[in-house]
Amino acid sequence: GAGVSQSPSNKVTEKGKDVELRCDPISGHTALYWYRQSLGQGLEFLIYFQGNSAPDKSGLPSDRFSAERTGGSVSTLTIQRTQQEDSAVYLCASSILSGPTSGEQYFGPGTRLTVT
Amino acid sequence: GNSVTQMEGPVTLSEEAFLTINCTYTATGYPSLFWYVQYPGEGLQLLLKATKADDKGSNKGFEATYRKETTSFHLEKGSVQVSDSAVYFCALNKKGSQGNLIFGKGTKLSVKP
Repeated sequence: GAGVSQSPSNKVTEKGKDVELRCDPISGHTALYWYRQSLGQGLEFLIYFQGNSAPDKSGLPSDRFSAERTGGSVSTLTIQRTQQEDSAVYLCASSILSGPTSGEQYFGPGTRLTVT
Repeated sequence: GNSVTQMEGPVTLSEEAFLTINCTYTATGYPSLFWYVQYPGEGLQLLLKATKADDKGSNKGFEATYRKETTSFHLEKGSVQVSDSAVYFCALNKKGSQGNLIFGKGTKLSVKP
C-alpha cells in the first residue's frame, strides 16, 4: 500500500517568511510524528499526535513552530518567520499502536527546507 | 534523561567482513529498541526491533539483542555487502509502542568491494 507522503519535497524560502509542510500518513495509522534531521543536531523529535488526544508538543524548539492534524489524518507543520537555523530535512512518520507492528514508525521521504 | 549513544563513524569495511555497530541507551522503565537505516538518497527505514529484554531482532542478515544488564542493543552482521552501505541509527521508544523515538547520532557505513 501507499507509504507516508510529504510535500513539497524541497522548499527554499527567504528568512522571515512563513512555510507550511504537509504530511499524509499511512491510512489507518492513528499516530503521527514530526522530526527534524539536521547536520548539527541529528534526528530531533518535534511533535506527536495520537488519535483525538492533545498533541505532545514537547519537542517544538520555539513558538514559531506549530502543527495541526485535521480529521485524524493529514498534518501540517507551520514555521513562522523562518530563520536560517530552521534549514533542515523535516520528516514525518506514522504508526499504529496495536497488533504485531505496534509502535513501528514508518517515515516519509522528508521535506528539505532551505532558508536563505 | 533518556538517550542513545552509538559508535561514531564513519566505518569502512571490505565486502564479507563482520560488522558491529555499538549502541547503548539510558532510559527509565522498559523501552522498545530499534535500528533504522537510511540508504543514500532514500528515507529512513525500520531495519529491526526488540521490545523486551533478551529479545533478538533480525532482518536482512542483521541482528541485535536487547541486553538490559548492559543497556545495549549492538547491531551485527556476519558478512556485509556493498549494498549495506548506509547510515544506521539506533533508537529507543521510552513508552514502548507509543510516543516519540529518541535517536542516536547515526553511524555511516561504507562497504568496499
